[in-house]
Amino acid sequence: NAGVTQTPKFQVLKTGQSMTLQCAQDMNHEYMSWYRQDPGMGLRLIHYSVGAGITDQGEVPNGYNVSRSTTEDFPLRLLSAAPSQTSVYFCASSPRWGTSYEQYFGPGTRLTVT
Amino acid sequence: AQSVTQLDSHVSVSEGTPVLLRCNYSSSYSPSLFWYVQHPNKGLQLLLKYTSAATLVKGINGFEAEFKKSETSFHLTKPSAHMSDAAEYFCVVSDSGAAGNKLTFGGGTRVLVKP
Repeated sequence: NAGVTQTPKFQVLKTGQSMTLQCAQDMNHEYMSWYRQDPGMGLRLIHYSVGAGITDQGEVPNGYNVSRSTTEDFPLRLLSAAPSQTSVYFCASSPRWGTSYEQYFGPGTRLTVT
Repeated sequence: AQSVTQLDSHVSVSEGTPVLLRCNYSSSYSPSLFWYVQHPNKGLQLLLKYTSAATLVKGINGFEAEFKKSETSFHLTKPSAHMSDAAEYFCVVSDSGAAGNKLTFGGGTRVLVKP
């Protein structure tokens, strides 16, 4: 299994541009989520999905959209990039929705918005 | 509401000496607690987790943590540090009241291991 994969690894955007961060998992996990990591703040939840066709907002959803058309894929869309969205983005998945399940993290996408 | 406080942002130890990373949490429900490690420019890897079974939890690479409900703590320890332990460590809480499997992360503790 490849686990959780993310593309691209690095991206530079200009303010106002849009882009999609890709996330895929091959473990047939029901639950997938997106986090952003900023210095000194740990990781914060952006959006999550408990299964194909079902998504919901996390802690910091503004400026981001998601969809989940398949179990495997969970792309994150930046609608109009802003410098405040400069961050490292991690996708994660877990087998089921439930607090005791470990989440498996992808390697991250480092995004810079100028 | 749940929250996590990692009491040290940086810890420096000598190789072969014990490591202690301190974590306090707040939770309105019975929490699950995790420690994750992040090596430079890498994703996060689970070290260990507590989910209401034994209060002393053993993880990978010789790490262990003890859940103390009365102190609302979940400190991470390792008897003897190795150079490969240099990384950032995150204490994480998730409780049944948190929407969407939400994990709440502490701010992280960066560990430096001196030869």
